[in-house]
Amino acid sequence: AQKVTQAQTEISVVEKEDVTLDCVYETRDTTYYLFWYKQPPSGELVFLIRRNSFDEQNEISGRYSWNFQKSTSSFNFTITASQVVDSAVYFCALSENSGGSNYKLTFGKGTLLTVNP
Amino acid sequence: DGGITQSPKYLFRKEGQNVTLSCEQNLNHDAMYWYRQDPGQGLRLIYYSQIVNDFQKGDIAEGYSVSREKKESFPLTVTSAQKNPTAFYLCASSMDRGGYEQYFGPGTRLTVT
Repeated sequence: AQKVTQAQTEISVVEKEDVTLDCVYETRDTTYYLFWYKQPPSGELVFLIRRNSFDEQNEISGRYSWNFQKSTSSFNFTITASQVVDSAVYFCALSENSGGSNYKLTFGKGTLLTVNP
Repeated sequence: DGGITQSPKYLFRKEGQNVTLSCEQNLNHDAMYWYRQDPGQGLRLIYYSQIVNDFQKGDIAEGYSVSREKKESFPLTVTSAQKNPTAFYLCASSMDRGGYEQYFGPGTRLTVT
């Protein structure tokens, strides 16, 4: 079973639409971290957000918002009023303890978002 | 500017040749990582290093080797033993292995024919 599932392989929207990218994770740890990264066509992964398992408060950063729900093991990402520059592959990732103080990062397979003008 | 550099951006090699990918960071991070990305896939961990002169195998280490002689540098060698070396390789670093966010370089696209 996948530890991080991004069920939406591709999403296409028209500019100014809101879009939500889903992420479901699986872990037995009580302490873990969740991340979202953006990979534009240039290829470099850009860090967007880190959330620890004890903080379920939703976060908003400009047009971006994240909804973390431990009850459903989900960490969804919403872009409000999408823009063409938001077109990219978005990865959700889970960091779990792999022994001692070491954590291992596992990525989902990503969601390709295309925002059309 | 603080960040991670990888060179070159594109690399072409003939089958049977070893090739070394460069990764340098000036973020003063202790931990460094190498990932491989194939089309339509997430990232898979090849090797990681928590400290100078120490490194550990990730999920897909076969056919790869690394060194960590300096804190700033973590080069990856793709050997001729790697069955499918053509891929996009990403280097990353983080403060340590304690669940901190990783910062990524621009990547090297390796093509072996």
